[in-house]
Amino acid sequence: QVQLQQWGAGLLKPSETLSLTCAVYGGSFSGYYWSWIRQPPGKGLEWIGEVNHRGGTYFNPSLKSRLTISVDTSNNHVSLKLSSVTAADTALYYCARAMQWELRAFDIWGQGTMVTVSS
Amino acid sequence: DVVMTQSPDSLAVSLGERATINCKSSQSVFYSSNNKNYLAWYQQRPGQPPKLLIYWATTRESGVPARFSGSGSGTDFTLTISNLQAEDVAVYFCQQYYSTPPWTFGQGTKVEIK
Repeated sequence: QVQLQQWGAGLLKPSETLSLTCAVYGGSFSGYYWSWIRQPPGKGLEWIGEVNHRGGTYFNPSLKSRLTISVDTSNNHVSLKLSSVTAADTALYYCARAMQWELRAFDIWGQGTMVTVSS
Repeated sequence: DVVMTQSPDSLAVSLGERATINCKSSQSVFYSSNNKNYLAWYQQRPGQPPKLLIYWATTRESGVPARFSGSGSGTDFTLTISNLQAEDVAVYFCQQYYSTPPWTFGQGTKVEIK
C-alpha cells in the first residue's frame, strides 16, 4: 500500500525559502506525477505544481517564478522549494499522487505539513 | 485557468436524506475524442487530507460507498450523497484535470447534519 510521508520546516520568516520533502513508500515511484497542493487555513485547495520520475515538471503560473520541484529517484523522494515567502504562503501543504498521466486526480495524499510565515 | 465554482457553499441535511452539491466549470472539461469528462470529487473530513471519491465525473474510487454518485457533463456536474450518514460530514471539493495544468479546485461545499 502506497504511503506518502512529508516533512519540512513549519515556521518561516518573510523572504525565506520554504523547503518540504515527500517520501513515497510501499509502491512504484515511476510512471506517476507527484503534485504539491496547499490549503490556507479554513480555505480551499490550490495546486502548486507536479513532477514525474524523470524530473519533468509543470508549475502553477501564479507561483512559477518562485518554485522548484525536484525528484530523487534513489530514495523515492519529491521536494518542494518556494522562495521569498510571505504571509500569503501560510498554508497546509500536501504532496499527492496523480493516478495516471491522463487522469490527474489525486488518489494518495500525504498527511500534510503546516507552514506558517510570520516575522 | 479553468475556474471551478461550487454551490452551495454549505448545506445541512437530515440523516438518511439526500445531499446534492453542484460544480460548474468556466469551460467544458469534456473530451469528445474519448467521451470523458475530466472531473473529480473529493471529501475532506476535519483534520484529514482530501480523499478521492469520484473521477471521470462518474467513476467511484475503489472502496467508496455506493451512496456517493457523480453526474453531469461538459460544464455542469453534481455530487449526490444518498442516505446521508454521520460520517459524511465533511467539505467536498470538485477538481478539473482537463488538458494542461494548472489543475483547479472548486472552493468547497460544507455538508452538515440538520
